[in-house]
Amino acid sequence: SAVISQKPSRDICQRGTSLTIQCQVDSQVTMMFWYRQQPGQSLTLIATANQGSEATYESGFVIDKFPISRPNLTFSTLTVSNMSPEDSSIYLCSVERAGTYEQYFGPGTRLTVT
Amino acid sequence: AQKVTQAQTEISVVEKEDVTLDCVYETRDTTYYLFWYKQPPSGELVFLIRRNSFDEQNEISGRYSWNFQKSTSSFNFTITASQVVDSAVYFCALTSSGTYKYIFGTGTRLKVLA
Repeated sequence: SAVISQKPSRDICQRGTSLTIQCQVDSQVTMMFWYRQQPGQSLTLIATANQGSEATYESGFVIDKFPISRPNLTFSTLTVSNMSPEDSSIYLCSVERAGTYEQYFGPGTRLTVT
Repeated sequence: AQKVTQAQTEISVVEKEDVTLDCVYETRDTTYYLFWYKQPPSGELVFLIRRNSFDEQNEISGRYSWNFQKSTSSFNFTITASQVVDSAVYFCALTSSGTYKYIFGTGTRLKVLA
C-alpha cells in the first residue's frame, strides 16, 4: 500500500481565515480523494481529485469553499476557506490502489476553528 | 440508493472474548465491493479487507474473520480472543464498480477492557 502524509497534522484557526492541507503520496496515483469526518461521525466524501482535470465535488460541497489542486500524480491540496466553527473536523485524503477499488488513507488533519 | 448500516454504536468486551461487528448494506448494483477499516484513537484509517460481490468465501486473517452473505446483505467482522489493542472504531464501507465513491457506515466503537 502507498505511504501517505498530510500536513499539518492539526491546527487551530480563527473563524474567517483559510487553511490549506497538503497530501503527499510516495508513489504515482491516478485517483485521490478528500474526506471530512466531523467529531464522532462517519466519513463524508468532499471531492475526487484526478490529475489534469477539475476536482469533482459531492453534493453539499462547493469549489469556492473547498478549492482543491492536483498539480501532479503524487500531490494534492485542499483549502478550507472562510472557516467557521462548523468546519471543525478531521480532513483525510486517500488514494486508490489502481484497479482494486481499495482506498488507503492519510493520517488526517485535525482542524479546530474558534 | 446505496446504504451501509452498522447498528451497533458501541460494544464493550473483556479481553480474550470473541466479538462480532455487524454490517448490513443496500445496493441495486450487481458488482460492488465491501470494506472494513479500523480507526484507532490516533485517527488514521487502517484498511483491513476488501470483498467483491462475486466472492462469498469467508476469509480469516489471524484473529480476524469476515462472513459475507449476499442472501442477507451482510458483511460481518469477528475478532477472536480480543485484545486491548483492538480498541478502535470500525467502519464498514461499500462502493460499486466504476464509481469509486465509498459509502461508509456510522461505525462501531469497540472497547476491549483488560
